[in-house]
Amino acid sequence: GDSVTQMEGPVTLSEEAFLTINCTYTATGYPSLFWYVQYPGEGLQLLLKATKADDKGSNKGFEATYRKETTSFHLEKGSVQVSDSAAYFCALSDHIGQFYFGTGTSLTVIP
Amino acid sequence: DAGVTQSPTHLIKTRGQQVTLRCSPISGHKSVSWYQQVLGQGPQFIFQYYEKEERGRGNFPDRFSARQFPNYSSELNVNALLLGDSALYLCASSLVAGNEQFFGPGTRLTVL
Repeated sequence: GDSVTQMEGPVTLSEEAFLTINCTYTATGYPSLFWYVQYPGEGLQLLLKATKADDKGSNKGFEATYRKETTSFHLEKGSVQVSDSAAYFCALSDHIGQFYFGTGTSLTVIP
Repeated sequence: DAGVTQSPTHLIKTRGQQVTLRCSPISGHKSVSWYQQVLGQGPQFIFQYYEKEERGRGNFPDRFSARQFPNYSSELNVNALLLGDSALYLCASSLVAGNEQFFGPGTRLTVL
């Protein structure tokens, strides 16, 4: 069945460091791909999305490119801030609209 | 515009009891999905409803049931609660099934 695999955390970075969180997926057909962010005690917020191969999603300095050849959707940010500390979840939506989430990666950014 | 709302915020129950969780989608959204998020894990899909019809069901026992009302709000029911049902229950809505989902703040259920 469809699934998402994320790099395990937790990840701790210094402010202004470069961030990469790896995400790979397994799916039949052509899923849409998403990154969600969850701040402590809150629900999930959509960070960015891509609906077809080679699309690049971007928001708030974060980027991810839908790579069909490597079945990946890695999240990157060039310079993280303390306010980026949160849990990040990679997800896919299959052909009937069912969402599958990765296990999440906790990010802590220290000043 | 109001986002997805869920009630109650927190709930404490004992084993064997039954619980009903409620969700109101964003105005105009016709699809509602329910997820269970255990601490430290990603959300696990429970149900999806679209236009009041069940569109999908995850790998959860029959103790879990849900419905969607004509105004597109939804309820999740869990019977015969187990300790392992303790989790954050998230509701998400979307315009149509498959579109990006917008999540509510969740209901934190604790089973003692």
